[in-house]
Amino acid sequence: EPEVTQTPSHQVTQMGQEVILRCVPISNHLYFYWYRQILGQKVEFLVSFYNNEISEKSEIFDDQFSVERPDGSNFTLKIRSTKLEDSAMYFCAGGTGFYEQYFGPGTRLTVT
Amino acid sequence: DAKTTQPTSMDCAEGRAANLPCNHSTISGNEYVYWYRQIHSQGPQYIIHGLKNNETNEMASLIITEDRKSSTLILPHATLRDTAVYYCIVRVTSNTNAGKSTFGDGTTLTVKP
Repeated sequence: EPEVTQTPSHQVTQMGQEVILRCVPISNHLYFYWYRQILGQKVEFLVSFYNNEISEKSEIFDDQFSVERPDGSNFTLKIRSTKLEDSAMYFCAGGTGFYEQYFGPGTRLTVT
Repeated sequence: DAKTTQPTSMDCAEGRAANLPCNHSTISGNEYVYWYRQIHSQGPQYIIHGLKNNETNEMASLIITEDRKSSTLILPHATLRDTAVYYCIVRVTSNTNAGKSTFGDGTTLTVKP
């Protein structure tokens, strides 16, 4: 059964550095999402993406964040200048329609 | 999206049915009920969703009350691998809200041998 994959599994970066988190959704997915979960806290919605544009974004998803799907397969989340508070698990998700979402295993981002 | 209330934790004996309740008394007519689970910091896993009819799939059953103000997720024969945090999420499902799921604290289900 196909699965959503994410790379890297763990990323360590210094404050102020740019990071790119990568996701490979299931091939027939049309809707794509990023969520994050700070250790011990709730899963939080960041952004949804459909038809090559952002459908909705949360207050967390400020100008430091961007998403793109450059080659029709990978779906990336870029954080331009990381802060300590960006340390979290970042989950990519995809779906074929408006209903269920299938999540990847996550990338643990540690900002030092 | 409507607010949901779930018990903080529940235990279930292995092999028995696990019944996880969710209260969503302010649910609107166009809001669906979704259930996800998260096993030990892995990515959330979709389980099932429904609007007003009861639903069943290979993982679970979803029972929604007639007034839609509450629902129950049923895992018919719980195994140790079903130990996880279970989230009940209520949200409008349309092309203007194609996936913004608001996760609460969920119910920590512990399946015991």
